[in-house]
Amino acid sequence: AQSVAQPEDQVNVAEGNPLTVKCTYSVSGNPYLFWYVQYPNRGLQFLLKYITGDNLVKGSYGFEAEFNKSQTSFHLKKPSALVSDSALYFCAVRDTASGGSYIPTFGRGTSLIVHP
Amino acid sequence: DTGVSQDPRHKITKRGQNVTFRCDPISEHNRLYWYRQTLGQGPEFLTYFQNEAQLEKSRLLSDRFSAERPKGSFSTLEIQRTEQGDSAMYLCASSSYSRQDQHGYTFGSGTRLTVV
Repeated sequence: AQSVAQPEDQVNVAEGNPLTVKCTYSVSGNPYLFWYVQYPNRGLQFLLKYITGDNLVKGSYGFEAEFNKSQTSFHLKKPSALVSDSALYFCAVRDTASGGSYIPTFGRGTSLIVHP
Repeated sequence: DTGVSQDPRHKITKRGQNVTFRCDPISEHNRLYWYRQTLGQGPEFLTYFQNEAQLEKSRLLSDRFSAERPKGSFSTLEIQRTEQGDSAMYLCASSSYSRQDQHGYTFGSGTRLTVV
């Protein structure tokens, strides 16, 4: 079975400071990992993914995420936060093991609030 | 193509009534997904189609829920005999089968259902 956890309901950061939104996962095989962002009254938008290769992946809007297999984590990061980054962030995982699901499982989401 | 469209944006219905939601995916996407999202939770997978074939429907919440994609283009999600617990945001997403892991899903803005 595949599962994902976002341990923080809310992350607060000052504009200009680095931000981290945490995600841990559980799969039987190798994971495909994704981050999505949801702005108010909007659908989820794809930010970035880890499939294979470099553990540090770069995505849209200056975001990046680091895959750590030993810690089963895929934390979202940005070096300098903007007020406009304030939104809901969702981590998702898909298990590529034989018999695994083709459909990613989403976490509960983390509300990022960037203060001016 | 302006993305994934969902109609209506909001629906208020009385308990016991039937409701139907429509989703128009990105035209070149052959996969279409329905999710439910409740407050404080991530998207919960319901069902998906590849072209007109419904490949997974065991996750539909009850036999009151059904979905169709008759010509492999738009899709409808119907809820019969609505209950207050059905109140949620219903999200539609689409993807290309061959690129879903590379490019992720494209989500619509959702239909917010309120059952009174």
